[in-house]
This record gives sequence, structure tokens and C-alpha cells, in this order.
Amino acid sequence: AQSVTQLGSHVSVSEGALVLLRCNYSSSVPPYLFWYVQYPNQGLQLLLKYTSAATLVKGINGFEAEFKKSETSFHLTKPSAHMSDAAEYFCAVSATSGSRLTFGEGTQLTVNP
Amino acid sequence: EAQVTQNPRYLITVTGKKLTVTCSQNMNHEYMSWYRQDPGLGLRQIYYSMNVEVTDKGDVPEGYKVSRKEKRNFPLILESPSPNQTSLYFCASSSPGSGYNEQFFGPGTRLTVL
Repeated sequence: AQSVTQLGSHVSVSEGALVLLRCNYSSSVPPYLFWYVQYPNQGLQLLLKYTSAATLVKGINGFEAEFKKSETSFHLTKPSAHMSDAAEYFCAVSATSGSRLTFGEGTQLTVNP
Repeated sequence: EAQVTQNPRYLITVTGKKLTVTCSQNMNHEYMSWYRQDPGLGLRQIYYSMNVEVTDKGDVPEGYKVSRKEKRNFPLILESPSPNQTSLYFCASSSPGSGYNEQFFGPGTRLTVL
């Protein structure tokens, strides 16, 4: 079975500051890892995904994440936060291609002017 | 436009009154799924379907039913809703081409059971 832990249910940054959202996973097999974003009153949208190719994955809106097997982590970063980045972010894991997604608890990102 | 639609978007009902939340996708996806989102718990899968007439339980199926008679539709049925089913519900779909993992989500249905 796989699981995901997101460290910090709320993260607050200033506009222009680095965004770092933490995700650690547990999986008995090489995982597929995902970050989704949920803007207010909307469904989830895929930001980026890791599927055993490059360990540094670039996504939409300037976000990227690095898969670190030794740390079982898949943290999401963005060099400079924008006000429009304020949203809830979910990390998710799948044990194999075609299996179910397991989501973390979510991290609410606030961007202060 | 490729999309997943859900209806209704908002619903307030009373305990025990049967309801159905519809979900439809226009992307010819084989896989469809229902999640509920609760504060501090993230998204938890209720039911999923790999194809027409093929459904299976997710992590929290109690109190819910689904059916998949057509590829594009995957309704969620609450036969006798209870207040602990008050939640935000999402339908999602995906295809084998993405390994089923890249899921497209609907806009959500906010359900309140009084």
C-alpha cells in the first residue's frame, strides 16, 4: 500500500519569495508521484508528475518538483511566488501505472503582498 | 472543450432522502472515479470504474452506490444520506494513455445533509 504525507497544512509566503511545499511518500514499489492544484471553487488540476524518467520535473506556472528516492520525498518548489499561486496543493502517489491515486491531506498556500 | 461536468454543483438535502449526483465526461475516458474532500483529510476515493459495467470500491464506499451503464456517465447515488456525508464531491476521469493516473476533475458538488 502507498501513502503520502504533506508537511504543513498551511504555508504562507510573501509575493516574490520562494515557495516550498513538502511531500513525503511511502510505497513498496517505485512510485508515480503527482502534484495537483485546487483554486478556490474549482476542481483539481494537474501541476506536474513524476513517472520514473527525469528526477527533476517541471510543471505548469513555473512550478517544479524533485524526486529524491533516498529521502522518499517529492517537494514542490517555485522560485518566486505570485498572488495567483494562492490555492490548495495536493501531493498524490500511485504504486504503478494504472493503479489508484492516493492523495495527501493538502497544503493551503497563502501569498501575502 | 474537453471536460468533466457534475450536477448539481450545490445541494442541500435532509437525512434519508435519496439523491443522485451526475458526472459526465466527453473525453472517451475508460476510467472514472468519485472522491470526497473533507478538511484535513484530502481526497478520499469512494468508488471507481475501469470501464462500462466494471466498478469497484475505493477507500470509503459505505453509504454510496455507483453505476456505469455508459462510458461517459458515472452517477453517484446516496440511497439514504446522513449528515456525515456532508462533503465536497469530485468526479474524475482518465485514460490508459496516461496510465490512468493523470486524472481530469470536475468542478465539484458541495453536498449538505441536514
